[in-house]
Amino acid sequence: GAVVSQHPSWVICKSGTSVKIECRSLDFQATTMFWYRQFPKQSLMLMATSNEGSKATYEQGVEKDKFLINHASLTLSTLTVTSAHPEDSSFYICSAKDRNSYNSPLHFGNGTRLTVT
Amino acid sequence: AQTVTQSQPEMSVQEAETVTLSCTYDTSESDYYLFWYKQPPSRQMILVIRQEAYKQQNATENRFSVNFQKAAKSFSLKISDSQLGDAAMYFCAYRSLLTGANSKLTFGKGITLSVRP
Repeated sequence: GAVVSQHPSWVICKSGTSVKIECRSLDFQATTMFWYRQFPKQSLMLMATSNEGSKATYEQGVEKDKFLINHASLTLSTLTVTSAHPEDSSFYICSAKDRNSYNSPLHFGNGTRLTVT
Repeated sequence: AQTVTQSQPEMSVQEAETVTLSCTYDTSESDYYLFWYKQPPSRQMILVIRQEAYKQQNATENRFSVNFQKAAKSFSLKISDSQLGDAAMYFCAYRSLLTGANSKLTFGKGITLSVRP
């Protein structure tokens, strides 16, 4: 089945530093990828839609300068949390849609647990 | 905009028994997808079952089945012969089929299911 690899699975960083999270589709091409944020025991909140070769579309209330998204190829999207602060600590999950399959469900990565100290 | 409502935050079921998880949604669209996802403690998102709105027949996947009531905008998940491994958080999700919707998922708040041995 379709696999989405998300890396790293967990990361600890100091306040003020930046962290990059990668989301790769391993066996399919994805023109669209999605980035979600999830707090413990809560739902997934869509942060942004990543579009290959163009600018990401951010949901209302999500700071685009804070959460930089790059989707430079059909198999890779990255989310960079810039100048991270403790309140950015969360679980981040990506998902991807197979460009060659209109009806296929989204495929999810395993998520990244970010802790900012 | 579409909304997905899961009003029960927690449920418990005895092993081998049957449990039903509720979900309602609101949309003005006539064609769309509905999903149930399972998120165990590992936090991996696992697709449990999918329903196309144009299909009247309820989807079934082994021990998992749905009761899809389009007019009532209801989409409940029934788990039969519950197993300890079914313990997880379950999310109901909606996906528009409109062009430009980019296939993004709208999630409910989720329900935590515990299974008693």
